[in-house]
Amino acid sequence: SQTIHQWPATLVQPVGSPLSLECTVEGTSNPNLYWYRQAAGRGLQLLFYSVGIGQISSEVPQNLSASRPQDRQFILSSKKLLLSDSGFYLCAWRYPTLQEYNSPLHFGNGTRLTVT
Amino acid sequence: AQTVTQSQPEMSVQEAETVTLSCTYDTSESDYYLFWYKQPPSRQMILVIRQEAYKQQNATENRFSVNFQKAAKSFSLKISDSQLGDAAMYFCAYRIPYSGAGSYQLTFGKGTKLSVIP
Repeated sequence: SQTIHQWPATLVQPVGSPLSLECTVEGTSNPNLYWYRQAAGRGLQLLFYSVGIGQISSEVPQNLSASRPQDRQFILSSKKLLLSDSGFYLCAWRYPTLQEYNSPLHFGNGTRLTVT
Repeated sequence: AQTVTQSQPEMSVQEAETVTLSCTYDTSESDYYLFWYKQPPSRQMILVIRQEAYKQQNATENRFSVNFQKAAKSFSLKISDSQLGDAAMYFCAYRIPYSGAGSYQLTFGKGTKLSVIP
């Protein structure tokens, strides 16, 4: 079966410090990978997605970047964190298909990031 | 632009009773998908149920069912025989069938916090 791992679970970082959040998927190959952010009291916002190694698409301009160095590894980074980067970050994967029915999003447990 | 509105920030239900969470959306598309996601205190987002707009039959998943009213753009979630484990934030979400290669753009509502009273 497929599993998705995301770490760390919580993180407190000062403004201006770097960030690296990691997500890995097991039990499948060539998944589509996603980073979402959930701000307090709001739904999820898609930040980045990747359809393959080294292929990153950004949905919104921001202080963050993403990379996919391996097929099942997705990393969210920042060189210098801003206060506004605080939030809950969720990694997700799905099979690379346009068919909705048999390929929903599978989310990781998320990372609570607090920038102080 | 698509919007999803959940007008009930908080709801409560007695254990074993039935509760209905409301969701309305705005779209000019004729084909789309609707979802209900559950986010318990563990914070993991879990898909509860989904509905294809072209299907008139309401989706059901065990104790969870939806009332999909396409003309009214309404998509409510009914939880029957509520259990303590149902306590969570519930998010209604919408997407069009094809958002570009790989993109999976979901438009979420702000959520409804459901409490289950023992």
